[in-house]
Amino acid sequence: AQSVTQPDIHITVSEGASLELRCNYSYGATPYLFWYVQSPGQGLQLLLKYFSGDTLVQGIKGFEAEFKRSQSSFNLRKPSVHWSDAAEYFCAVGPITGTASKLTFGTGTRLQVTL
Amino acid sequence: KAGVTQTPRYLIKTRGQQVTLSCSPISGHRSVSWYQQTPGQGLQFLFEYFSETQRNKGNFPGRFSGRQFSNSRSEMNVSTLELGDSALYLCASSLGQGRYNEQFFGPGTRLTVL
Repeated sequence: AQSVTQPDIHITVSEGASLELRCNYSYGATPYLFWYVQSPGQGLQLLLKYFSGDTLVQGIKGFEAEFKRSQSSFNLRKPSVHWSDAAEYFCAVGPITGTASKLTFGTGTRLQVTL
Repeated sequence: KAGVTQTPRYLIKTRGQQVTLSCSPISGHRSVSWYQQTPGQGLQFLFEYFSETQRNKGNFPGRFSGRQFSNSRSEMNVSTLELGDSALYLCASSLGQGRYNEQFFGPGTRLTVL
């Protein structure tokens, strides 16, 4: 069964510093990968997704992610973090079968931004 | 275009009671999925509905059920509530079924079981 691992539970960065959130997946076929962000008391917002093609994916709010098949990773990056980026970030993998919509999520990484 | 709406936003129930949560998808979206989010288990898939039919189900007991109406609105029901059912329940909608369809999440319903 597919699974997603986010090894960092909590990360603290200074405003203006660069950010990298790690995500590793286990998947039996070509993965469909997503990054979502959740602000306190809110639902999930899609930051970016990877289905195929260019392994460097650009998303909203200045985020990007790079798919590395050899490392089974899909790390999220941002060159300069803003205080408003403080939130919880979830990596997810889509289903293997084409007709299902189920997402399998990692446990999340909580980002704290210091001023 | 309005986003996914969930009602109520907050709910307090006692053990043994039952509860019904509602989800209105984005206009034109026909697929609705439900997820449970808890600090201990994280985000877990409950079930997915498309064209009023349950297409997929997660690993939850039969106390958890749902349905979808002809206008794509969906409800989920939890009977005989247990303390462990306290969670944020998230609904997501997409245009169609399948992994190519982006899912849009609602703000969730926070259920507290006392």
